[in-house]
Amino acid sequence: KQEVTQIPAALSVPEGENLVLNCSFTDSAIYNLQWFRQDPGKGLTSLLLIQSSQREQTSGRLNASLDKSSGRSTLYIAASQPGDSATYLCAGIPYNTDKLIFGTGTRLQVFP
Amino acid sequence: KAGVTQTPRYLIKTRGQQVTLSCSPISGHRSVSWYQQTPGQGLQFLFEYFSETQRNKGNFPGRFSGRQFSNSRSEMNVSTLELGDSALYLCASRRASGGTQETQYFGPGTRLLVL
Repeated sequence: KQEVTQIPAALSVPEGENLVLNCSFTDSAIYNLQWFRQDPGKGLTSLLLIQSSQREQTSGRLNASLDKSSGRSTLYIAASQPGDSATYLCAGIPYNTDKLIFGTGTRLQVFP
Repeated sequence: KAGVTQTPRYLIKTRGQQVTLSCSPISGHRSVSWYQQTPGQGLQFLFEYFSETQRNKGNFPGRFSGRQFSNSRSEMNVSTLELGDSALYLCASRRASGGTQETQYFGPGTRLLVL
């Protein structure tokens, strides 16, 4: 069974801290990895897509890495801000499909 | 460029009824996928359509069905609703299908409450 887990489940930090969110997957068939954020009651916003041939992607204060050999991905958030407060989800994408296998999510709260 | 739109945004039904949800993908996108989000099970894949054909299906009972039209708009239908079908239903679109290394874009979702 394909499983994606995220640690920690919840995180509360003061503004300005650098953060690391972890995502692990058990299935070697996971080809690409995508990170999303979800605000309460809303849909998903794509943050970064890491393709199998890549090791990391960067967008602004966000950096995501992918290590397929260990089945892990990390999302690094630099200089966190209250506006970063949301649930962060990683999703594994098996080869040649559009099916996203979502992790359990990390609920992040950044307080001023 | 307009994003993925879903209608209706909120819906209240009673057990035994059926419901149809609609998703309009981003213009030019031909692949549409559907997901169910519940507090207990998280986000789970329902099905994926490309060019009016179902390419993948998740592990849901036959009460859940979908279709895609020639303009890429998609509908999903749930028959004989159960209390456990209460969830946020999300659809996502992308330009092409499987293995094309493209980002999927999600709509705001339809929140269904079954009483």
